Amino acid sequence: AQSVAQPEDQVNVAEGNPLTVKCTYSVSGNPYLFWYVQYPNRGLQFLLKYITGDNLVKGSYGFEAEFNKSQTSFHLKKPSALVSDSALYFCAVKGPLRGSARQLTFGSGTQLTVLP
Amino acid sequence: DVKVTQSSRYLVKRTGEKVFLECVQDMDHENMFWYRQDPGLGLRLIYFSYDVKMKEKGDIPEGYSVSREKKERFSLILESASTNQTSMYLCASSSLWTEDGYQQYFGPGTRLTVT
Repeated sequence: AQSVAQPEDQVNVAEGNPLTVKCTYSVSGNPYLFWYVQYPNRGLQFLLKYITGDNLVKGSYGFEAEFNKSQTSFHLKKPSALVSDSALYFCAVKGPLRGSARQLTFGSGTQLTVLP
Repeated sequence: DVKVTQSSRYLVKRTGEKVFLECVQDMDHENMFWYRQDPGLGLRLIYFSYDVKMKEKGDIPEGYSVSREKKERFSLILESASTNQTSMYLCASSSLWTEDGYQQYFGPGTRLTVT
């Protein structure tokens, strides 16, 4: 069964430092992996995805993620954090095949706080 | 850009009321989804639809129903609202036919409070 784990509920980092938000997954077949960001009282915004190809995926706002098949991980990274990056981050993996809709299974979310 | 809109950003209802949450997307997407979001629980799928008048239960359908009479509109109905349905409700849509058809586009959310 498809599943995704975000082991950290909260990540704090100083502005200007690199940040990492962790995600591990379990899926049968090809992993389709996503990162979304949610600002307070807003919907989820797409950041990046891995379907196939290069293991390092670049996305919006300077974020990137590294797909590691052997460790079944898809960690989100940014070289230099900004205070405005403070938000809730969700990792998602393709969900169970159910009906005709392609679904996503979401992690529980990681709250990132960038300290000035 | 894909746009998904939800009828209300904030809603306050009383226990026992019938509540309608509306979602509209403008990209001719086949799939539409309703989630609820609660702290520490992530997003949980309530119902989804893959075509007009077609619907399927998600992981937590109890206490909810849905309606999809037109392709662009997907409604979530709380038949008799209860306090444990106080939550953030998120609507999303996706295309069935693109290579990355798993990517979902989200609305801004409706924060529902049931008193």
